[in-house]
This record gives sequence, C-alpha cells and structure tokens, in this order.
Amino acid sequence: GAVVSQHPSWVICKSGTSVKIECRSLDFQATTMFWYRQFPKQSLMLMATSNEGSKATYEQGVEKDKFLINHASLTLSTLTVTSAHPEDSSFYICSARPTAGTVNSPLHFGNGTRLTVT
Amino acid sequence: RKEVEQDPGPFNVPEGATVAFNCTYSNSASQSFFWYRQDCRKEPKLLMSVYSSGNEDGRFTAQLNRASQYISLLIRDSKLSDSATYLCVVNTGFNKFYFGSGTKLNVKP
Repeated sequence: GAVVSQHPSWVICKSGTSVKIECRSLDFQATTMFWYRQFPKQSLMLMATSNEGSKATYEQGVEKDKFLINHASLTLSTLTVTSAHPEDSSFYICSARPTAGTVNSPLHFGNGTRLTVT
Repeated sequence: RKEVEQDPGPFNVPEGATVAFNCTYSNSASQSFFWYRQDCRKEPKLLMSVYSSGNEDGRFTAQLNRASQYISLLIRDSKLSDSATYLCVVNTGFNKFYFGSGTKLNVKP
C-alpha cells in the first residue's frame, strides 16, 4: 500500500530557532501534499496545500512566511517552522495521495511530528 | 455551515455493543468519502472507503446516502481496541478534502 514517511517523529527546540519537517511518499509520486496541525483534543486543521514545482496554497490565518513549504520533487515536501515559539508547539501531520490515483483514492498520512518549543 | 459535520461524542458503549456514527456533508457534488480512525497522539489511518452501494469489512459497515448527504459507520460487536476517534473525510474534487471534527468512541469492559 501507499506509504508516507514523515521525519522527525518528535523534536524539541528552543524558542527562536527553525525546525524543518520532511514528508516523503515512499512508493508513489505525489504532485500535491497536505500539511496539517493538531492541538491536543482538537481537530486536524489544514494549514496548506503543497504543490510540486509551484507555490503552496495556505489556508486563511496561516502565515506563509512563518511556515515555509517547499515541494521540490514528486516525493518530498518540507515544512519549515521559522522562529518557532512555544505557541507553535503542536502535532504536525502531512498527507498525500498518488498523482496517478483516481477520485476514489484515499489520503495517506505520515506518522506525524510532535514539536515542542521551549 | 461547515462542509462536514460530525457529532463529537463521546460515545461510551460496553464491549459487544453495536454503535453507529453519522456524518453529514454540505456539498452535493462531493465525489468520494472515507472513514479514518485516529488514536490518541497518532496520525489518522484509513479504516475504509465508502461506496454508494454500501460496503462491509468484517465488523465495520459503511453506507452513503447521497439524497440526504450523509455517510454512516456501523461497528458491530465492539472491542476495547475500537476505542478511538473516528473521522469522516469528504473529497469534493481532486485536491479538496474536508474533515469532520471526529467522533470519539470509548468501548468499556
């Protein structure tokens, strides 16, 4: 089955530093990947749609200069949280589905990255 | 109005019970539908796709009602391990997926 790998699984960083999270589709190509954030006991919130070879599309209220997305290849998207602050501490998850898939193809999720900013 | 709405629960049921969740969606042109399961502090995992004719996978049955714009998930003979949050996901077009807020299920001994 389609596998999405996300790295790192967890990271602790100091306030003001930047953190890069990678999302890879291991056995399929994905023109589009999605980035979400989930705070404790809350729903998944879509942050942005990552598009290979072009700019990401950000959801309302998500700062594009703070959450930098790069989708340089058909199997890799990265999310960089710049100048992280404690309020950025959250569970970040990516998802993708095969470009060659159909409308009935489901999303496949990475295992998530738990970010703690101290 | 939200694109996808779910009762957040929690649904507290004893082992062996049958439990059903519904999820309504607002876009009548929605194309595909899914149920995911999310355990605490984990990523969502695909439970099953939902087809127009209804589909079953072991103890799990999914149904789609396009006329009333809802999907349902029925779990029979609940197990303790079924305790999780169940998310419905609706695809309105190739890159547009909408998530319900999730329904929490607690199966108790």
